[in-house]
Amino acid sequence: SYEVTQSTSMSVSPGQTASITCSGDKLGDEYVSWYQQRPGQSPVVVIYQDNKRPSGIPARFSGSSSGNTATLTISGTQPMDEAVYYCQAWDTNIAVFGGGTELTVL
Amino acid sequence: QVQLVQSGAEVKKPGASVKVSCRASGYTFTTYGISWVRQAPGQGLEWMGWISAYNGDTHYTQRLQDRVTMTKDTSTSTAYMELRSLRSDDTAVYYCARNSPPNRGVITGNWFDPWGQGTLVTVSS
Repeated sequence: SYEVTQSTSMSVSPGQTASITCSGDKLGDEYVSWYQQRPGQSPVVVIYQDNKRPSGIPARFSGSSSGNTATLTISGTQPMDEAVYYCQAWDTNIAVFGGGTELTVL
Repeated sequence: QVQLVQSGAEVKKPGASVKVSCRASGYTFTTYGISWVRQAPGQGLEWMGWISAYNGDTHYTQRLQDRVTMTKDTSTSTAYMELRSLRSDDTAVYYCARNSPPNRGVITGNWFDPWGQGTLVTVSS
């Protein structure tokens, strides 16, 4: 079955830029979405269709995709951005999530 | 506002079935599909499948397709997910989520927004 891969964790200082990557053979074929999940809460979409930001999501969140890698970038990271971030891709009507990257802001 | 409200926590014995509901409000139910995603304790997200709220078409992940059934009731704007032959490793929080954009068949490229609050299903003897 199709898999997408993320690093398990990363840390960043407040105000710095966090770049979270997602890799998979078919990422270049279909749109990628990114979800933020804070402890004890339901996931929230922060980026869809590779680089679009839903209303209400701060402008410091951006996304890009090139070849087999998609990237979520958080510019000027704030303590409230501490969460697990999941990328999500598609394999012909089957959704696939990455394993999640735990972002620590310290 | 668009909202998905799920049924309450369940405790089931191995071999039993569970049926979780997801009631939608704030939009025209039949315009969007609903996906189900589960999360085992301390683990990541696993997509289980999708149902069209328009005509009931479904797509299931292969590893669950023999045990899962997704249905909908248009009259109450409610989607359901039933999982049979429960095992201990089915213990998880089960989420429903609305697929966007509106569509009726091809879901590749969709994103999930919003999500329900989650339903904890515990499988234990």
